[in-house]
Amino acid sequence: GQNIDQPTEMTATEGAIVQINCTYQTSGFNGLFWYQQHAGEAPTFLSYNVLDGLEEKGRFSSFLSRSKGYSYLLLKELQMKDSASYLCAVRDRGYSTLTFGKGTMLLVSP
Amino acid sequence: KAGVTQTPRYLIKTRGQQVTLSCSPISGHRSVSWYQQTPGQGLQFLFEYFSETQRNKGNFPGRFSGRQFSNSRSEMNVSTLELGDSALYLCASSLAPSLGANVLTFGAGSRLTVL
Repeated sequence: GQNIDQPTEMTATEGAIVQINCTYQTSGFNGLFWYQQHAGEAPTFLSYNVLDGLEEKGRFSSFLSRSKGYSYLLLKELQMKDSASYLCAVRDRGYSTLTFGKGTMLLVSP
Repeated sequence: KAGVTQTPRYLIKTRGQQVTLSCSPISGHRSVSWYQQTPGQGLQFLFEYFSETQRNKGNFPGRFSGRQFSNSRSEMNVSTLELGDSALYLCASSLAPSLGANVLTFGAGSRLTVL
């Protein structure tokens, strides 16, 4: 089985930097994903890590440490439109199925 | 190209009824997964289909079933509806299970309310 933990809520100010952490315990590991979901909308893909280290994509970066079962999503130069739920998901070895954490609701204020 | 299309978007049913939800994947995508999303439990995996075969199944009762057709379109059915089945049902498609990152692209979902 898999257990994925991430904070329930976070708040930050426009223009700031925020780090959303995700820890996981899995019987197998074949990649970690981050998705963004705005209220009433479908989740959209942000990033994928399968090897240790940092993946940077514009204002968003994602880090993975497989030995620690830990990942974070870093959002820079926050904008109001970044207010959303951020979902951490792990893919088990041998399957393409994703197991999701319950999501972190990020509120960006002016 | 068109995204993942789910129908219907909203529906209201009463306890004991059954419901069928439909999902049309992105053209060329052959893998379809279904998830249930509720405020308390988040996204929970229901099934995954590839080439008309169920590859994996989540921890849901037998009232939840699904299938995939030869054109990769998928349906899921919930029989004998319970109040707790009220949720957003999300379908996601991807190229194939074993291809690299195999990113899931989600549809907008079908919001089911059971009264």
